[in-house]
Parts: sequence; structure tokens; C-alpha cells
Amino acid sequence: GAVVSQHPSRVICKSGTSVKIECRSLDFQATTMFWYRQFPKKSLMLMATSNEGSKATYEQGVEKDKFLINHASLTLSTLTVTSAHPEDSSFYICSAISTSGGDYNEQFFGPGTRLTVL
Amino acid sequence: GQNIDQPTEMTATEGAIVQINCTYQTSGFNGLFWYQQHAGEAPTFLSYNVLDGLEEKGRFSSFLSRSKGYSYLLLKELQMKDSASYLCAAMDSNYQLIWGAGTKLIIKP
Repeated sequence: GAVVSQHPSRVICKSGTSVKIECRSLDFQATTMFWYRQFPKKSLMLMATSNEGSKATYEQGVEKDKFLINHASLTLSTLTVTSAHPEDSSFYICSAISTSGGDYNEQFFGPGTRLTVL
Repeated sequence: GQNIDQPTEMTATEGAIVQINCTYQTSGFNGLFWYQQHAGEAPTFLSYNVLDGLEEKGRFSSFLSRSKGYSYLLLKELQMKDSASYLCAAMDSNYQLIWGAGTKLIIKP
């Protein structure tokens, strides 16, 4: 199956700093990548949809200037959490859809990044 | 609005069978997914249903009734490693996944 990687897997940072999370599709090209956030014992919350070469589409309530998304190529999308605060601590997961499509646009998930803001 | 409902937690015994139910309401429908998620890990794909009926895949089966907005995941011959959260997700008309909160399945020896 298709493989999606995320880096870093775990990051601890001080309040006020910025953190960049990378999401890569390793063996396929992804026209669309999604960024999710997950709080403990909660469902995945879609933050934004990232399309290669265009601006990301953010879900209602997600601050565009705080969560910067760049989808510069068909294999890489980045999420930058700017001026991080403790409430930004969460599990961030990306997923990607292959350009080859398929019957149902299956999303392939990265392993997730655990962000802890002190 | 769009909504997915599934039980918060279930407990079952090793070797037994368990059924996890999911009801959904979405704007349009392009299929129902089940994912397994172990603590601290990303979800992994289990099944996809878009037509009514039962899809069997080894110890796991998934059922869909579009008219009722209902699906279930059936796990047979439960193993301790099946202890995880099981997420139900429906794909809407925009091909976006609407996620349930997940059902935490606890397997006891």
C-alpha cells in the first residue's frame, strides 16, 4: 500500500516558538493532502485541505495565520504551527490521496506527530 | 448537519465476537470507512462499503445499509491485539471524511 511519512514524530517546544511538521508521500504522488488534529479520546478533526500548487482550504474555526500550510510539490506538504501555545499541544496527522485516484479516494495516513508546547 | 454516532466504549472477551455499530447523517454519501487506531498511532484502514450488504475480510466484516444510514463492524475470534479504538467515517458528497469519535474496544482474557 501507499506510504505516507511525517517528521518529526514527536516534538517538544517552548511557548511562542514555531514548529514545522512535514508530510511526505513516499511512493506515490498526492494531489491532495489533509491535515488533522486529534485531542485525547476525541475524533480526528479536519483542519485543512491542501492541494498542490494552491492555497489550502481551512475548516471553520481554524486560524490560517496560526497554522500555515504549504503544499509545494506532489509529495510534500508542511504544517507550521506559529507562535505555539500550550493549547496547541495535540496529535497532528496528515493524510494523502493518490493522483491515481481509485474507486473511493482512499486516504493514506501518516504516523502522526505528537506536539507538546511547554 | 453532518453527524456520526458510535458507542464510546465496548468490552469483549478474547475469542468472542463483537459488533460495533455506527449511524451517520451526511450531505451526500460516497461510502463508509472503518479504521483501527491504537493509542498514539495514526488510523489504519480496515474496510470500505458503498453498496448495501456485508463485506468480509478475514476476521473482520463490515455491513452497510444506506437506507438506514447504518453500518457495523464485526470482529470475530477476538485477540488481545484487537484492543484499540475503531473509527467510523462517512464520505460526503465533497469526498471529505466525516469522522465519528471512535469506539474504544477493550478485550479481556
